[in-house]
Amino acid sequence: EIVLTQSPGTLSLSPGERATLSCRASQSVSSSYLAWYQQKPGQAPRLLIYGASSRATGIPDRFSGSGSGTDFTLTISRLEPEDFAVYYCQQYGSSPVTFGQGTKLEIK
Amino acid sequence: EVQLVESGGGLVKPGGSLRLSCAASGFTFDDYAMHWVRQAPGKGLEWVSGISWNSGSIGYADSVKGRFTISRDNAKNSLYLQMNSLRAEDTALYYCAKDPGAGWDYFDYWGQGTLVTVSS
Repeated sequence: EIVLTQSPGTLSLSPGERATLSCRASQSVSSSYLAWYQQKPGQAPRLLIYGASSRATGIPDRFSGSGSGTDFTLTISRLEPEDFAVYYCQQYGSSPVTFGQGTKLEIK
Repeated sequence: EVQLVESGGGLVKPGGSLRLSCAASGFTFDDYAMHWVRQAPGKGLEWVSGISWNSGSIGYADSVKGRFTISRDNAKNSLYLQMNSLRAEDTALYYCAKDPGAGWDYFDYWGQGTLVTVSS
């Protein structure tokens, strides 16, 4: 199975700053079948990005995804207070689908 | 509005069984694959099982293969997970999640989850 490693484990930033989250796969993710989710405490995950770079319905354009092969990035251009949460990447190009361990984005 | 409502969780002893249900509304249920994803307390997400729109294709994580059975009733817009031979490591919040297509993809809608606790 494909192992996804997210870095950093925790990212401490201030509102208005730019956040860059990384997701590295143990082998190439076919057709850039990679998604990103946001999860806030006590809530279900929310889809942000699919196909490595396509924003899901209703997701603000400050969220963007990029990458291919084994290296993927989620960028939040200017952090809003509501963006502080845990972020997960997920690959769905190979069975079984797998998730990264998560990056916690916290307020500095 | 898409809604997924899980039920059936609870406290069960090791070796016991539980059946989870997910009631779906707000979309044409039998057009989409559906999945169960779990999250152990304070941990990350783990895909558990998925089922295609017509039940023709089913998959399980190795950690639950042979113990869990996924099924769906398109007439009732419902998804199920029969969990047998439960272990302490199955303790988690179990989410029902909708696939955006007919096969194994990402998850565009999630329920709020139902908690399963396996403990003596």
